[in-house]
Amino acid sequence: QKEVEQNSGPLSVPEGAIASLNCTYSDRGSQSFFWYRQYSGKSPELIMFIYSNGDKEDGRFTAQLNKASQYVSLLIRDSQPSDSATYLCAVNGAGNTGKLIFGQGTTLQVKP
Amino acid sequence: DARVTQTPRDKVTEMGQEVTMRCQPILGHNTVFWYRQTMMQGLELLAYFRNRAPLDDSGMPKDRFSAEMPDATLATLKIQPSEPRDSAVYFCASGLGQGAFEAFFGQGTRLTVV
Repeated sequence: QKEVEQNSGPLSVPEGAIASLNCTYSDRGSQSFFWYRQYSGKSPELIMFIYSNGDKEDGRFTAQLNKASQYVSLLIRDSQPSDSATYLCAVNGAGNTGKLIFGQGTTLQVKP
Repeated sequence: DARVTQTPRDKVTEMGQEVTMRCQPILGHNTVFWYRQTMMQGLELLAYFRNRAPLDDSGMPKDRFSAEMPDATLATLKIQPSEPRDSAVYFCASGLGQGAFEAFFGQGTRLTVV
């Protein structure tokens, strides 16, 4: 079992819809969770992080964390074609050491 | 504009040659990561350092890869000898190593071994 798992997609949504991206992790000791966006040929850029159960909102983005289910999600409201990218989930590994482990990423396609 | 700087951006080399990639972390960041990204494997953590000390290099092939931090402003990743299967994009990232532990990525080095 991989430490961080994501559906590779592609996830296709129409412009203006809500895109929902999901991630599960295996280490119950993980305490910090991150979403990165990576455009083709570019480096990953941090969108947001979350470390408490529940929701965290930042503009059109909402991160959701459920530690009991070992589940993290990212919702993108009012999806735009410019949101088309690969979204990487990252988890701070065991013991909150700062060791960042990434999932394979989910490719999102927003169609005009 | 604080950012992680990696050199070179692109490198083409012949099998068997030594390759050195360099990274300048964001000033004040005490944690440095080296990742390798391929289509098949995604982003793999090769090694990471805190306060220049290696914390984990279990993701790195020990026989040919080495990572060092000669000082707080420079991290290096060396491959000797290089092989075609090492072809990938290598990313360096840095962070503060406290709080939420978020990391910020450099532009990457695209390595092609022929």
